[in-house]
Amino acid sequence: SAVISQKPSRDICQRGTSLTIQCQVDSQVTMMFWYRQQPGQSLTLIATANQGSEATYESGFVIDKFPISRPNLTFSTLTVSNMSPEDSSIYLCSVDEKRTYTFGSGTRLTVV
Amino acid sequence: AQSVTQLGSHVSVSEGALVLLRCNYSSSVPPYLFWYVQYPNQGLQLLLKYTTGATLVKGINGFEAEFKKSETSFHLTKPSAHMSDAAEYFCAVSGGNAGNMLTFGGGTRLMVKP
Repeated sequence: SAVISQKPSRDICQRGTSLTIQCQVDSQVTMMFWYRQQPGQSLTLIATANQGSEATYESGFVIDKFPISRPNLTFSTLTVSNMSPEDSSIYLCSVDEKRTYTFGSGTRLTVV
Repeated sequence: AQSVTQLGSHVSVSEGALVLLRCNYSSSVPPYLFWYVQYPNQGLQLLLKYTTGATLVKGINGFEAEFKKSETSFHLTKPSAHMSDAAEYFCAVSGGNAGNMLTFGGGTRLMVKP
């Protein structure tokens, strides 16, 4: 299965700033997903990112807040914009290879 | 939309006892089913998955799960709990009505008492 390198692993950010999270995959994959895991909660899908098209956002998530780039089949970024303490969460990327879903190690974000 | 329900947000067992973590899903079309484990401050690790074929699926670390279509369930079991099994467990589904996206249950925290 694919191996995902996700950076940064953690960060502490000031409110009002933005953070860009990167995911690099060691193989070409069509579909990449971005999830949020709020403290003590399960994973919620933010958006699906396919190369060459706009990301598809789930209900409650908007592009202005969580812009996503997918420049090629091995890389994607998620930006958390204009952060507030409520954005403190773990953010994870994931890829789908024939119904095998692999996850990055996550980015633990704390907004102060 | 699909949904996944994990009964019991916290389950506590004694070391050596049976582990049973419950998962029910809603889908009009048989989905693909997954169990993931998340150890503290770590990412998600796939325990096992069901796609097609045999309904009893064996995974890593001695875990197994059985797909029961009539009950729309995919419960996770392990005959004998070990202290190292203490973690958060997530049931997830894809396919069916929701295409490729993976939908997670609320998670169950397993505690193992010595």
